[in-house]
Amino acid sequence: EVQLVESGGDLIKPGGSLRVSCAASGFSFTNVWMSWVRQAPGKGLEWVGRIKRKIDGGTADYAAPVKGRFTISRDDSTNTLYLHMNSLKTEDTAVYFCTREPHFDNWGRGTPVTVSS
Amino acid sequence: DIVMTQSPLSLPVTPGEPASISCRSSQSLLHSDGNTYLDWYLQKPGQSPQLLIYLVSNRASGVPDRFSGSQSGTDFTLKISRVEAEDVGIYYCMQAVDIPYTFGQGTKLEIK
Repeated sequence: EVQLVESGGDLIKPGGSLRVSCAASGFSFTNVWMSWVRQAPGKGLEWVGRIKRKIDGGTADYAAPVKGRFTISRDDSTNTLYLHMNSLKTEDTAVYFCTREPHFDNWGRGTPVTVSS
Repeated sequence: DIVMTQSPLSLPVTPGEPASISCRSSQSLLHSDGNTYLDWYLQKPGQSPQLLIYLVSNRASGVPDRFSGSQSGTDFTLKISRVEAEDVGIYYCMQAVDIPYTFGQGTKLEIK
């Protein structure tokens, strides 16, 4: 059974940093591109970024609002996806979901990140 | 960025009646590999999103056959042949042909 479990969400002051994680199981993590999607309170879904599998270069792409502040990484030895968030803004407050490509066929429950003073 | 525009944004439906949601993309979603990268998701109240339809018209595993997807150019449609109470939630279309992936605003389906 495919499982994605996000963790690490917290209350952070503006300008702070945070790393959230996504533990994957039930599939070959090494062979899959992974994405992060977020949902601000009461709002719709927003794609944050993705990371390719190592064999495809392992590079990441980002949405404009987070580019230069967020970094996606992966540890294939532990089947874990990471989202490193720096210079956090109040508008980054959201539930962060990890999901696998293509077609986002499995989602975690998400981890809440609140940026507030 | 590709803009995805959904309509209607609110959709009250009587159980047993059909429902239709539209999604228009600002440019073609046809990839060089021949696939059209348009997916549909449903987020039920209090839950994570779930994949309903991928590549315009392919039902995801476990999705009832009352759900179907179609395309006409840059206009995409999700149809529910007979709405059931369990279908309530917010429906999103999403394009994945180009970075950044973009979602529609969402259509809230509610039971009358």
